[in-house]
Parts: sequence; structure tokens; C-alpha cells
Amino acid sequence: IAGITQAPTSQILAAGRRMTLRCTQDMRHNAMYWYRQDLGLGLRLIHYSNTAGTTGKGEVPDGYSVSRANTDDFPLTLASAVPSQTSVYFCASSDSAKQGGGYTFGSGTRLTVV
Amino acid sequence: AQKVTQAQTEISVVEKEDVTLDCVYETRDTTYYLFWYKQPPSGELVFLIRRNSFDEQNEISGRYSWNFQKSTSSFNFTITASQVVDSAVYFCAPGYSSASKIIFGSGTRLSIRP
Repeated sequence: IAGITQAPTSQILAAGRRMTLRCTQDMRHNAMYWYRQDLGLGLRLIHYSNTAGTTGKGEVPDGYSVSRANTDDFPLTLASAVPSQTSVYFCASSDSAKQGGGYTFGSGTRLTVV
Repeated sequence: AQKVTQAQTEISVVEKEDVTLDCVYETRDTTYYLFWYKQPPSGELVFLIRRNSFDEQNEISGRYSWNFQKSTSSFNFTITASQVVDSAVYFCAPGYSSASKIIFGSGTRLSIRP
């Protein structure tokens, strides 16, 4: 693994189903983030975690939950998917102790809810 | 409120022309960071530059240059002698110390015609 790995790459999901998007990093970054990208809206923050064991809500958290049991993993769960959650999801990490450190992004998960 | 505006939704120029992408941000933070990311058609997010709010010196990297004007809260990005490979969506993204996370603009889609 080099950087951030997201899985799956893409998924078609029936509405009402539960789904977990996986994100793993090997850089020992303390902070991790989930964004969704929709056409014309840029990237919007869903949830974030400044360190293992803590999480926080971003701009659009409804319908999503996260956990941060350890430094490397930051899964995003859709408890009951709805079509409006069709989007491309990006996981990112940063070393927030390094002032102004930029984000490293995963390659994204394209999710279609039908 | 912390906000970023990329007023140009789409720009199309002919190859070899110079092009400037505008970015205006709002913040009450005295310390912050400014980023530009590139998203080519392949979809990944590529880090281009980070600028500290204390450093208003403009920066040049090859054909890319950035003009940071704190007085007008702008951080504009210029590509000189554009090439087809520059075609991408470009995101301006301020990082605020008070929020410890990066806020992305809605992006500017740049198309370079041969």
C-alpha cells in the first residue's frame, strides 16, 4: 500500500441497503476525512477525524456515519442508502500536526444508488 | 463564515494562450493556508501548491504561477503557454486553523483546445 487505498472503486447499490466504503492509509497521518463530489458542487466534507478515537461532522453528515478505531482506517457507512447519495466519495488524510499540511487523497469510490 | 468562491465555472482557451483562474476566500482567521488542487479527467486529485497566509510572495513553478493578494483575499492561479494536458478541473481550497480542515471551492473546469 502506498498512500491511501479506497475500496470498492465503484458500486451500484439498491436503495435501502447498507454499505461501508473502506479507506486505509499507510502514512501514519493523524487526521482523515471523507468528502463527496457532485457535479457543480465541488467537494463537500462529510465527516472527519483529527485523531484515532475521535470523529466530527462536516458540512453534509446526514445519512452517514464513521468510526476511527485506529490510525490507519476510516470507514464510511451508509446505513440505508438513498438515491441522493449517488456521488463520488473521496477519502483523504493529513498530518495535522504539520501546520498547513495538505491532503493526500485516495482515488475515489463511485457510488450509484438505484 | 469561512467561504471560498471560484467565480469561473468553465474556461476554454486555445493551446499556448495564458489563462488565469480566480479564487476569492473569506475568513476571520489570522493564520490560514491556501491550496490549489488539480483534478484531471482520470479523476484523481493532485496537490499543486500550498501557501501560508504570512507569505505573500508570489510563486512560480515552471508554467504555473500563483498571485496571493491578502488585501483582496485572493489567490489566483495562472498557467502560461497552456497545453492540452492542462485540461482539468482546478480547485482552490483554503485551510483554516480554526477549523483544522480544508474547504474546497466549486472548481473551475479548464479546457485547452488544440
